Amino acid sequence: EDQVTQSPEALRLQEGESSSLNCSYTVSGLRGLFWYRQDPGKGPEFLFTLYSAGEEKEKERLKATLTKKESFLHITAPKPEDSATYLCAVQALDMRFGAGTRLTVKP
Amino acid sequence: DGGITQSPKYLFRKEGQNVTLSCEQNLNHDAMYWYRQDPGQGLRLIYYSQIVNDFQKGDIAEGYSVSREKKESFPLTVTSAQKNPTAFYLCASSIGDRDGQFFGPGTRLTVL
Repeated sequence: EDQVTQSPEALRLQEGESSSLNCSYTVSGLRGLFWYRQDPGKGPEFLFTLYSAGEEKEKERLKATLTKKESFLHITAPKPEDSATYLCAVQALDMRFGAGTRLTVKP
Repeated sequence: DGGITQSPKYLFRKEGQNVTLSCEQNLNHDAMYWYRQDPGQGLRLIYYSQIVNDFQKGDIAEGYSVSREKKESFPLTVTSAQKNPTAFYLCASSIGDRDGQFFGPGTRLTVL
């Protein structure tokens, strides 16, 4: 069965302290891997799509990378406004989401 | 402004009643989706549609029904057969099934 696991469940950082979030997956026939940001009580906001191993995408302080088994979301010098839950999803036969990583950035 | 809307934001219903959640998009997207989100869990796919008048079941379709009569609209009915309907419901749309999805603001359904 297709599985998507995100780690850690929660991450607390000081402002400016860079770190990475992990998304490991086991799917047959990956068609795409997606990263989203979700603020409390709101719908997820699309960040990146990665289609093949070795691919990288960047947006402001965020950089997403993809291997054959996992994806990383690197956050460089985070700010308090980066606090949110970050969701990973994989598209194979259908779309499957991980449970998310709840990021808190303290000033 | 293009976007995806869901209404209402909060919905309360008595146990045993059917309820319909609205989802409308003006992004001209072909694909639309319904997800359910419970605390501490990832989004779970209920139904999706890649084209008008066609839709497929997701992982947790039991107790739900949908229709896709127009490209812009994809309403979800939560029936009395759904055993645990209280949840946060999210609608999304995308250009195609390999593209990033754009989500609405969600409807929080509480069944009393």
